[in-house]
Amino acid sequence: AQKVTQAQTEISVVEKEDVTLDCVYETRDTTYYLFWYKQPPSGELVFLIRRNSFDEQNEISGRYSWNFQKSTSSFNFTITASQVVDSAVYFCAIRMDSSYKLIFGSGTRLLVRP
Amino acid sequence: DTEVTQTPKHLVMGMTNKKSLKCEQHMGHRAMYWYKQKAKKPPELMFVYSYEKLSINESVPSRFSPECPNSSLLNLHLHALQPEDSALYLCASSPRGKAEAFFGQGTRLTVV
Repeated sequence: AQKVTQAQTEISVVEKEDVTLDCVYETRDTTYYLFWYKQPPSGELVFLIRRNSFDEQNEISGRYSWNFQKSTSSFNFTITASQVVDSAVYFCAIRMDSSYKLIFGSGTRLLVRP
Repeated sequence: DTEVTQTPKHLVMGMTNKKSLKCEQHMGHRAMYWYKQKAKKPPELMFVYSYEKLSINESVPSRFSPECPNSSLLNLHLHALQPEDSALYLCASSPRGKAEAFFGQGTRLTVV
């Protein structure tokens, strides 16, 4: 069975601090996809990134960066110089190549204080 | 354009009511989904439609009835719901050949 663990329930930082959200996954499949989604209070899940299991390249997009390490089954997300608008619940998720189903972690609530 | 539109945004219904949730996308996506999200929990998959055919039903009670009338529209018909069905119902769609799903803003449903 597949599983995603986000051990950090809540994180609180002061604006401009860097913050890393942890994600650990479990699967026996060799082909899978990993995702990060952001859910602001409005409720919509906003797609941030997809990573394929065969592509361990790290990625940077503006203040966001992602570190994918198959050796530790981790897909961590770092926000550099956090801003108040980054306050949201962040979900890590996995999907097998053989299925449409997204399996989410329990989410990490990030509060960025001014 | 990655817009998935859901209506209504909020819905309050009694346990004997019949109502429908609507989801629309005009991006040509051929996979569409319904997810249910209880407060402070992650979303959980309910149904998947692929090319307008029901592909996955995650053992959802029959009081929830999905419908995909065409490639742009997805409905969720609700009947005889229970208060524990109160949740945020999220619709999503995926582009052909891509694994990511794009979500709508959801319908916040309260059953009284």
